[in-house]
Amino acid sequence: SQTIHQWPATLVQPVGSPLSLECTVEGTSNPNLYWYRQAAGRGLQLLFYSVGIGQISSEVPQNLSASRPQDRQFILSSKKLLLSDSGFYLCAWQAGLHRYFGPGTRLTVL
Amino acid sequence: AQSVTQPDIHITVSEGASLELRCNYSYGATPYLFWYVQSPGQGLQLLLKYFSGDTLVQGIKGFEAEFKRSQSSFNLRKPSVHWSDAAEYFCALMTGGGNKLTFGTGTQLKVEL
Repeated sequence: SQTIHQWPATLVQPVGSPLSLECTVEGTSNPNLYWYRQAAGRGLQLLFYSVGIGQISSEVPQNLSASRPQDRQFILSSKKLLLSDSGFYLCAWQAGLHRYFGPGTRLTVL
Repeated sequence: AQSVTQPDIHITVSEGASLELRCNYSYGATPYLFWYVQSPGQGLQLLLKYFSGDTLVQGIKGFEAEFKRSQSSFNLRKPSVHWSDAAEYFCALMTGGGNKLTFGTGTQLKVEL
């Protein structure tokens, strides 16, 4: 069966520091992959999606970037974190018309 | 453009009472609709989905939802709520051939014992 992993589960970072969040999927190949952010009291915002290795689409301009170095690996990065980057980050993959979500990473920027 | 509206931000029900969470969508073609549940600090779990056919769909954990095209609604129901159902519930609309998934802002459910 398919499994999606995210790490770390929780992260506290100072403003201006770099960021790297990792997402990996097991049990499938060539999945569409997605990064969402969920800010406090707000819904889910799609940040990036990828249909294949090296193919990244950005939904909103922001301080973050994404990369897909391997088929089942999706990385969310930032060179310098802002306070507004705090939130709950969810990775997801899609099979057919079903989108499955990972357990999430809670990022707090101080 | 497509959109999803969940008009209730917070709902409180007593354990054992029935539940209905509202969801309205805006989309010009046949929608693919989903309900997800999110427990605190967790990812989203798919409860149920509607693609076509029978407008009353059954999901996990005793939930069901009814698609009403005339009302552009896809309300989630449960006959008897359990304390463990306390969570945030998201309605979502898939369009663009499966590429775009638009979420509502969520409804936070509190269950009183």
